[in-house]
Amino acid sequence: AQTVTQSQPEMSVQEAETVTLSCTYDTSESDYYLFWYKQPPSRQMILVIRQEAYKQQNATENRFSVNFQKAAKSFSLKISDSQLGDAAMYFCAYRSANTGNQFYFGTGTSLTVIP
Amino acid sequence: NAGVTQTPKFQVLKTGQSMTLQCAQDMNHNSMYWYRQDPGMGLRLIYYSASEGTTDKGEVPNGYNVSRLNKREFSLRLESAAPSQTSVYFCASSGTLNSPLHFGNGTRLTVT
Repeated sequence: AQTVTQSQPEMSVQEAETVTLSCTYDTSESDYYLFWYKQPPSRQMILVIRQEAYKQQNATENRFSVNFQKAAKSFSLKISDSQLGDAAMYFCAYRSANTGNQFYFGTGTSLTVIP
Repeated sequence: NAGVTQTPKFQVLKTGQSMTLQCAQDMNHNSMYWYRQDPGMGLRLIYYSASEGTTDKGEVPNGYNVSRLNKREFSLRLESAAPSQTSVYFCASSGTLNSPLHFGNGTRLTVT
């Protein structure tokens, strides 16, 4: 099974500043998909951004962008102009393109936004 | 757009009691999943169903059973609840291979 590692259990950022959350994964596959999910205190799981491994261009969604380093098996999430509403748990997830029924999740990073 | 609907939202059980968590999706997805979420452990897969009529064990299947009733519905049953099953449970579904998971709102289960 693939493993996904989020090495930062907790992070904090000043409002309006930029923060980067780290994610690494272990796989022998060349084709796969990566996702970041946000879980606010409401408990809802919200898709933030996704990246296809075959695409070299980093995905961007408004203030959220990723730094995808395929060779290093790294998939970090950058949040620009942080807002109070960004405070949440963030989970990184991996899905194989070949045996793609299972998703593998990291243990999450708790992000605090300081006013 | 209902998406993924799971019930109940909260449940308290005594050790040894049984219950079924219900889940339904209206997105015509083939794959459905049950996860549990515990502090510091992320989301762990209990069971999944790649298509109607099939189910497979995930990482933590012991103590649980599932039923894929039809394409829309995927239920999770605890036959004899234990305190170790105190957790937040999420149902999710997914379509094609490049699709993300779509989650229900979760069930907080406490077993005393």
